[in-house]
Amino acid sequence: GAGVSQTPSNKVTEKGKYVELRCDPISGHTALYWYRQSLGQGPEFLIYFQGTGAADDSGLPNDRFFAVRPEGSVSTLKIQRTERGDSAVYLCASSSRRDRREAFFGQGTRLTVV
Amino acid sequence: GIQVEQSPPDLILQEGANSTLRCNFSDSVNNLQWFHQNPWGQLINLFYIPSGTKQNGRLSATTVATERYSLLYISSSQTTDSGVYFCAVERLGAQKLVFGQGTRLTINP
Repeated sequence: GAGVSQTPSNKVTEKGKYVELRCDPISGHTALYWYRQSLGQGPEFLIYFQGTGAADDSGLPNDRFFAVRPEGSVSTLKIQRTERGDSAVYLCASSSRRDRREAFFGQGTRLTVV
Repeated sequence: GIQVEQSPPDLILQEGANSTLRCNFSDSVNNLQWFHQNPWGQLINLFYIPSGTKQNGRLSATTVATERYSLLYISSSQTTDSGVYFCAVERLGAQKLVFGQGTRLTINP
């Protein structure tokens, strides 16, 4: 596609529920990142995929958060037993990571846990 | 981890003014990007500039990697320049961008 696409744009869920957020990266980009942005803050790193494997998941806050990228393209961020503190904008980015390491971001998914 | 500090945190200017935003970082980097976050939350790429100077219309950026800082210049500001500007860096050997806290720019007509 022309850019990084994230769905849904907005998600409202009840505390304790399970949610999945989807990211479709730029075609051909092997690197994919998830970030989380709280109000008034800069984005914070969650996880990085190179191809199908999670090369760095050091930013995941706890074991309720999990992400997959089974075919090296689309990725899904999964949050179990959601808490009100999980409310934030979740951003996805992709990069070709060849000679130019520039990352491009999607429009984000705004998650609200009520 | 690497620290990224942006200044000033807030900047309010009149239309037509020039501005300089600064980004200091605490370690050697192989990637530095400037973004503009629009009112809808989209991060718009402004510059990919791990070193050197680039210009794009009214915007230009300079990164002095040896002194660990980058500057973003906006000339002849317009109201549409308002928003939050983020600097993000990738430390040598790391695989992720680390963001500063941003500079909120408000351009009044």
